[in-house]
Amino acid sequence: AQKVTQAQTEISVVEKEDVTLDCVYETRDTTYYLFWYKQPPSGELVFLIRRNSFDEQNEISGRYSWNFQKSTSSFNFTITASQVVDSAVYFCALSEAWNFNKFYFGSGTKLNVKP
Amino acid sequence: DAGVIQSPRHEVTEMGQEVTLRCKPISGHDYLFWYRQTMMRGLELLIYFNNNVPIDDSGMPEDRFSAKMPNASFSTLKIQPSEPRDSAVYFCASSLAGTLAYNEQFFGPGTRLTVL
Repeated sequence: AQKVTQAQTEISVVEKEDVTLDCVYETRDTTYYLFWYKQPPSGELVFLIRRNSFDEQNEISGRYSWNFQKSTSSFNFTITASQVVDSAVYFCALSEAWNFNKFYFGSGTKLNVKP
Repeated sequence: DAGVIQSPRHEVTEMGQEVTLRCKPISGHDYLFWYRQTMMRGLELLIYFNNNVPIDDSGMPEDRFSAKMPNASFSTLKIQPSEPRDSAVYFCASSLAGTLAYNEQFFGPGTRLTVL
């Protein structure tokens, strides 16, 4: 069974629009960790955020915000006032406490921000 | 500070040839990871090391793949013999255990391997 599902394969928006990238995860562990990474066209993966299962506080960092909801096993990522530089593939990942170094990545969502 | 360094950035080889990918983790990091990214399978963890010791190699696809970490600053991923289905982007990542159990992994730029 897929541990991390990113149902949106590709999203296109016009600059300044808000966009939400969905991430749904599956685990039997009560302690787990969630991550978001950005992969710009240049190819490297850039870490954006981590969250542990005991911390359901939503987080905001500039134009980025994350909504963690254990009740729906979701960890969604919102970009406010999107910019062309936000165009990238975004990956959600899960690791479980018993083997926290093993990351399960979703299939990624490609975001196209058009000027 | 230098990030994770990988070489070569691009590799084109013919089926049957040996391929060696190289990685230098961030100085001081004690975990090193090798991933493979393909359109079909996404990002897959192949193997990871802790303090130069292989911990989990369950993701290594076949005996044709091997990885070593002779010291804290260098690791190799070798494919021998290579096959066209090995074509992918191979990422190396490193992390520092520190005081947190769930530190993020820092990724290198990747090596794009094409096997003809």
